[in-house]
Amino acid sequence: NAGVMQNPRHLVRRRGQEARLRCSPMKGHSHVYWYRQLPEEGLKFMVYLQKENIIDESGMPKERFSAEFPKEGPSILRIQQVVRGDSAAYFCASSPGGSNYGYTFGSGTRLTVV
Amino acid sequence: GENVEQHPSTLSVQEGDSAVIKCTYSDSASNYFPWYKQELGKRPQLIIDIRSNVGEKKDQRIAVTLNKTAKHFSLHITETQPEDSAVYFCAAGTNAGKSTFGDGTTLTVKP
Repeated sequence: NAGVMQNPRHLVRRRGQEARLRCSPMKGHSHVYWYRQLPEEGLKFMVYLQKENIIDESGMPKERFSAEFPKEGPSILRIQQVVRGDSAAYFCASSPGGSNYGYTFGSGTRLTVV
Repeated sequence: GENVEQHPSTLSVQEGDSAVIKCTYSDSASNYFPWYKQELGKRPQLIIDIRSNVGEKKDQRIAVTLNKTAKHFSLHITETQPEDSAVYFCAAGTNAGKSTFGDGTTLTVKP
């Protein structure tokens, strides 16, 4: 079992470009969560998805950010027109049945906006 | 929404001593309380969890306690070792969706 796979591990984007972060959950897990972590800070919830559905996007900025989890393929977190403040580690986690089960985290994508 | 507070933010102990990290939560609907350990530059990893129908759970040197009435839960690490040095996060989750994390405790175990 390969665990939660995130790619890329590191992503550098210039201001104004788009960033696409990918996450493949563990086999058998249908619940995906995205969290953002700034250096030496905690994990801030962004969005919770199941296949083809956004369950909770209350932590996601209204503009420039979007997420999807299509029927086939990985979950995608998309950040349009990136700004320096978007620089952070973005972690994806999956679980088999919602938040009353433990999360398995991916290794994260470290986004740097220059 | 749920609010989780975690204390202390930093904790330094001598090797062999015990460490205690405390969390409080606000949503009485929360029923699952995991703890994660994150080493520098790595992913958070689940180390122990407790559900609201249980008051205490132990796994070797690690134990968690839950006081549902007071909405408190705690992580206890005994006989600490240098490899226990990491950031520890508590979280509270409900059936409805996401887990809300505390801000983390940086534990340093001095040899």
